[in-house]
Amino acid sequence: SQTIHQWPATLVQPVGSPLSLECTVEGTSNPNLYWYRQAAGRGLQLLFYSVGIGQISSEVPQNLSASRPQDRQFILSSKKLLLSDSGFYLCACTGGFSGYTFGSGTRLTVV
Amino acid sequence: TQLLEQSPQFLSIQEGENLTVYCNSSSVFSSLQWYRQEPGEGPVLLVTVVTGGEVKKLKRLTFQFGDARKDSSLHITAAQPGDTGLYLCAGLSPSGSARQLTFGSGTQLTVLP
Repeated sequence: SQTIHQWPATLVQPVGSPLSLECTVEGTSNPNLYWYRQAAGRGLQLLFYSVGIGQISSEVPQNLSASRPQDRQFILSSKKLLLSDSGFYLCACTGGFSGYTFGSGTRLTVV
Repeated sequence: TQLLEQSPQFLSIQEGENLTVYCNSSSVFSSLQWYRQEPGEGPVLLVTVVTGGEVKKLKRLTFQFGDARKDSSLHITAAQPGDTGLYLCAGLSPSGSARQLTFGSGTQLTVLP
């Protein structure tokens, strides 16, 4: 079965600082990978998805970017964080009929 | 853009009561998934329903996919405090693109002892 490792679990960053969140996948090869952001107690907003190395699709214009340097590695970045970037970020990979597998999330607070 | 609306948004009930959560859309989905999420964790898949009219049971949880594959419901019988969490429905688009999973807005369930 697939496992997603996501870190860090929590992060407090000042406005204007850079960001790098990393996600790695085990137990599958060539997965589709996703970054979601979730407001407290609400649904998930898709930010980026990737179907392969170096292939990134952006869903919403924003201050963030994503990269996939290796098959099972997905990175979410920002050059300068904004207060509005605060949120709960989730990495996910496809599991076919068995649904998506999610990481445990990163709680980002921009101060 | 496909949208999934969940209702109610918040639900607080006493232990032992029954409840139903609804997930509705004007779009057709090839399948629909239900997830449960606890604070500070990622969502965990509960069930996938594929066929219109399909009913699946998971212990005290009953999931139904609408005949037209546009809506779904989750019914919990004799709710327990351990059922507390955020319930999310997610629809899989028939289009086959990688961007295919659309999430509902979520239902926050609290079961009081």
